[in-house]
Amino acid sequence: TQLLEQSPQFLSIQEGENLTVYCNSSSVFSSLQWYRQEPGEGPVLLVTVVTGGEVKKLKRLTFQFGDARKDSSLHITAAQTGDTGLYLCAGRYNQGGKLIFGQGTELSVKP
Amino acid sequence: DARVTQTPRHKVTEMGQEVTMRCQPILGHNTVFWYRQTMMQGLELLAYFRNRAPLDDSGMPKDRFSAEMPDATLATLKIQPSEPRDSAVYFCASGADRVDRDGYTFGSGTRLTVV
Repeated sequence: TQLLEQSPQFLSIQEGENLTVYCNSSSVFSSLQWYRQEPGEGPVLLVTVVTGGEVKKLKRLTFQFGDARKDSSLHITAAQTGDTGLYLCAGRYNQGGKLIFGQGTELSVKP
Repeated sequence: DARVTQTPRHKVTEMGQEVTMRCQPILGHNTVFWYRQTMMQGLELLAYFRNRAPLDDSGMPKDRFSAEMPDATLATLKIQPSEPRDSAVYFCASGADRVDRDGYTFGSGTRLTVV
């Protein structure tokens, strides 16, 4: 069974703090995506990483793909209340294959 | 903006009844996924189609669930008979050939409650 483990499951921080969310697997990904989901809506794509060691930035969000393509991280700098939501990593183990999601990290940023 | 449309948004039904959920993928997208989301299990893949052909439905309870794509503009997920443990939010997502770059677009989901 291919599992995608995400940590932490819950995170509650104050506005202005930094945080990192991790996504790990024992298998190699062909690609990995990060999504954000708000209550009552479906997940929305934030970024896709494909190359080992790849780093992508989206404003205050930094995404990193591990060199071995088995893990990824999402770092948020100076979190804002608008960052509150469920963050999901999703990996594909071969091109064109099915997309498997991690359990998600529920982030709450308090003013 | 192109959207994936799911109907109904909410459904409350009695145990034993048939439930049909519908999804209109984005025009031109050739891959369609059905996921189920619960607090305990997170997002579970139920089935997916490429060019309307079912590729994988191993995550779906075969005795009561069925998924079809009668045409390129409609995907359906049926549960018959429904059970309380089927209560969840069901999402449809669609994507084009460049999914590794562009990802999938999700609908807003159907929240199913079986009483």
